[in-house]
Amino acid sequence: QITLKESGPTLVKPTQTLTLTCTFSGFSLSTSGVGVGWIRQPPGKALEWLALIYWDDDKRYSPSLKSRLTITKDTSKNQVVLTMTNMDPVDTATYYCAHIAAAGTGGWDYWGQGTLVTVSS
Amino acid sequence: DIVMTQTPLSLSVTPGQPASISCKSSQSLLHSDGKTYLYWYLQKPGQSPQLLIYEVSSRFSGVPDRFSGSGSGTDFTLKISRVEAEDVGVYYCMQGIHLPPYTFGQGTKLEIK
Repeated sequence: QITLKESGPTLVKPTQTLTLTCTFSGFSLSTSGVGVGWIRQPPGKALEWLALIYWDDDKRYSPSLKSRLTITKDTSKNQVVLTMTNMDPVDTATYYCAHIAAAGTGGWDYWGQGTLVTVSS
Repeated sequence: DIVMTQTPLSLSVTPGQPASISCKSSQSLLHSDGKTYLYWYLQKPGQSPQLLIYEVSSRFSGVPDRFSGSGSGTDFTLKISRVEAEDVGVYYCMQGIHLPPYTFGQGTKLEIK
């Protein structure tokens, strides 16, 4: 059974750096073809993909946010960490982490519950 | 970036009646490997998105067979043969070929009459 759970601050100030952790179980991020990514959703708006890290440490970022994002993994802890610098109120959103497997559906097939991050002074 | 355009943006359906949602992509989603990387998600109220359909027409594990996907190239459709109360929420299509980024449609809100 694959599960993912996001953790991190619920409130950050403008210009601060956001650090979110995704802790997962039911799969290994050292398995070929497996990845974990982040997707966000501003209140009442659509989904926006942010970043993805693969089992082999290959990393992909949204071109529009690439300069602000860093994704890393700790395979031994079953965790993936996303940092986003220079936070702005427009970054207020629910942030989801999700699993992807090239050998499976090829899409984001398991999602965490999400964590709401508010950016405000 | 690939633009995914869904229509309609909202629909109201009587239980037991069919529903259909269209998704059009700005470029073909057909990969050289022969697969088409188009996905459908449902986000029920207060919940995370859940995968319904992958590669245009394959239902994900546990998805009822009243959900079906079709299409090719740039035009895709999600159909619900008989809508049930538990189907309310927002439906999203997503492309997974022209990466990065993965891009989603604007969402279609389904409500029950």
